[in-house]
Amino acid sequence: GQNIDQPTEMTATEGAIVQINCTYQTSGFNGLFWYQQHAGEAPTFLSYNVLDGLEEKGRFSSFLSRSKGYSYLLLKELQMKDSASYLCALDDYKLSFGAGTTVTVRA
Amino acid sequence: DTGVSQNPRHKITKRGQNVTFRCDPISEHNRLYWYRQTLGQGPEFLTYFQNEAQLEKSRLLSDRFSAERPKGSFSTLEIQRTEQGDSAMYLCASSRSDRAGTGELFFGEGSRLTVL
Repeated sequence: GQNIDQPTEMTATEGAIVQINCTYQTSGFNGLFWYQQHAGEAPTFLSYNVLDGLEEKGRFSSFLSRSKGYSYLLLKELQMKDSASYLCALDDYKLSFGAGTTVTVRA
Repeated sequence: DTGVSQNPRHKITKRGQNVTFRCDPISEHNRLYWYRQTLGQGPEFLTYFQNEAQLEKSRLLSDRFSAERPKGSFSTLEIQRTEQGDSAMYLCASSRSDRAGTGELFFGEGSRLTVL
């Protein structure tokens, strides 16, 4: 298996920056996805990394280091609506998800 | 609405009964996936199809679970002789995949199963 690890919970203040780490152990994969899931809703796509490095997309950025077995999702200028679960997933022709990190944004 | 559609959205059943869920994917997507999710966990892979072919099924999946995608369009997931441990949200997702990987998964709203 991929043994995908993420912190269970994180709390941050509106306007701040939060970094969600994801570590994994696997021999190979096509790429790494990040999904956002609000309570009671379906997951929605945030970002995808194939190559090592940083992918920036508005307030969200994602980083991948294959050699270190590590990725992170960076959320900048946090808004209340960013309170959600953030799921890291490895792509090996199906997506294998971590347990998710619940982010709570406080005023 | 051209998104992924699942029904029923909610199903309550008694232990030992059979249940069936249906998923209608985005029409041009060749891949269809079934996942199961319980509270506080990420989606757990169950099985997936490329067109009408079932390419992989989770080794952890009981043989009480079966899925079909007969014409490469909609799919059904059947659970026979349900158990209380089957209570979960069943998510369907579809993607347009190529040799480079899965492609972005688009999820349906899910079918919530409660087994009494």
